[in-house]
Amino acid sequence: GQQVMQIPQYQHVQEGEDFTTYCNSSTTLSNIQWYKQRPGGHPVFLIQLVKSGEVKKQKRLTFQFGEAKKNSSLHITATQTTDVGTYFCAVVTGFQKLVFGTGTRLLVSP
Amino acid sequence: ETGVTQTPRHLVMGMTNKKSLKCEQHLGHNAMYWYKQSAKKPLELMFVYNFKEQTENNSVPSRFSPECPNSSHLFLHLHTLQPEDSALYLCASSHGTSGSDEQFFGPGTRLTVL
Repeated sequence: GQQVMQIPQYQHVQEGEDFTTYCNSSTTLSNIQWYKQRPGGHPVFLIQLVKSGEVKKQKRLTFQFGEAKKNSSLHITATQTTDVGTYFCAVVTGFQKLVFGTGTRLLVSP
Repeated sequence: ETGVTQTPRHLVMGMTNKKSLKCEQHLGHNAMYWYKQSAKKPLELMFVYNFKEQTENNSVPSRFSPECPNSSHLFLHLHTLQPEDSALYLCASSHGTSGSDEQFFGPGTRLTVL
């Protein structure tokens, strides 16, 4: 079945440093979604990307969809302690179901 | 956020017990989902219901039995579970039924099987 790999699995940064997580698929994707799960919480939708090469920004977060629509990235500029959590990408398979990536756990030290 | 609620929030059960998890969405959505989240594993889709009809059973063991009496309520009946079934069980809903819509998650039920 569809597999979606995310790297890194874990990253620990100092507050103010930048952070990037990457999502990779072996197949071409129709779209990709990103979710954030705070420790002890549940996944919360952040954004959906649909177009090849698309770039979207939400304050300090920048989301990008690759030109070949096989990969995506989430970049956080100047991290804050409130950014702590696990970031998941999710893709729709041909069976019309959402498959979640392995997630990147971000820890931010003050 | 109270769009999707789940009860109970925590559950401890023995392997011979029967229990049920409940999910309710107040968003007027047409699709509801059960996911399992274990430590060190990605979110695993278990079941999908569109307009009350089950459209996906992701090879889930029969000791998990879903029920969707209407578009707002979803249950997961549990029977003779195994310790490896201990996990966070998340319910989600979406407006559309294509699988590509934004999904809204409930807070989850933390299940421990002894």
